[in-house]
Amino acid sequence: SVLLYQKPNRDICQSGTSLKIQCVADSQVVSMFWYQQFQEQSLMLMATANEGSEATYESGFTKDKFPISRPNLTFSTLTVNNARPGDSSIYFCSSREGGGAEQFFGPGTRLTVL
Amino acid sequence: GEQVEQRPPHLSVREGDSAVITCTYTDPNSYYFFWYKQEPGASLQLLMKVFSSTEINEGQGFTVLLNKKDKRLSLNLTAAHPGDSAAYFCANTGNYKYVFGAGTRLKVIA
Repeated sequence: SVLLYQKPNRDICQSGTSLKIQCVADSQVVSMFWYQQFQEQSLMLMATANEGSEATYESGFTKDKFPISRPNLTFSTLTVNNARPGDSSIYFCSSREGGGAEQFFGPGTRLTVL
Repeated sequence: GEQVEQRPPHLSVREGDSAVITCTYTDPNSYYFFWYKQEPGASLQLLMKVFSSTEINEGQGFTVLLNKKDKRLSLNLTAAHPGDSAAYFCANTGNYKYVFGAGTRLKVIA
């Protein structure tokens, strides 16, 4: 399995500000995924980030709003720009181990936008 | 896009009873199937991974059934206990991207 760590665990910010969420893997991984989960709902894939290339975003998510960096094989950062109350949710990073199909998830970052 | 329908959205059972959660999927190329458990305030914990070549998988206290003909995946918790109270999500993938079900919120009453 892959162990993923996220920082911060939770954050509260004002509308219009930006914040960064970091994800660190305990081993090198090819792809990292970012998910958004609203309360009492399922997970929605935001984007896939591979090292050295631009992240691929899913419908409804844009690079301008949620820029993602992937500078190396163990690290990724998700930024939430111009945060709005509607962005209040839990953000998870995930990854797979080697050629495995199953994804392992970080502990999540609970964001509240006031 | 491909979809996964998960039922029921909420389930309440008494301790010792069984609980069955079902997912139906549309992607004919789905090859891997997963069940995750999410306790309140926690992340997702992988319960079981099922390949399309297998039909029955047994874990500790639960059984996963895959019916490829009907494109149906089920999780059967036998003798549920309060510690099973959580949200359960199915997911499948034919490539590297997951498609998640909407989730089932299970409550086990002591």
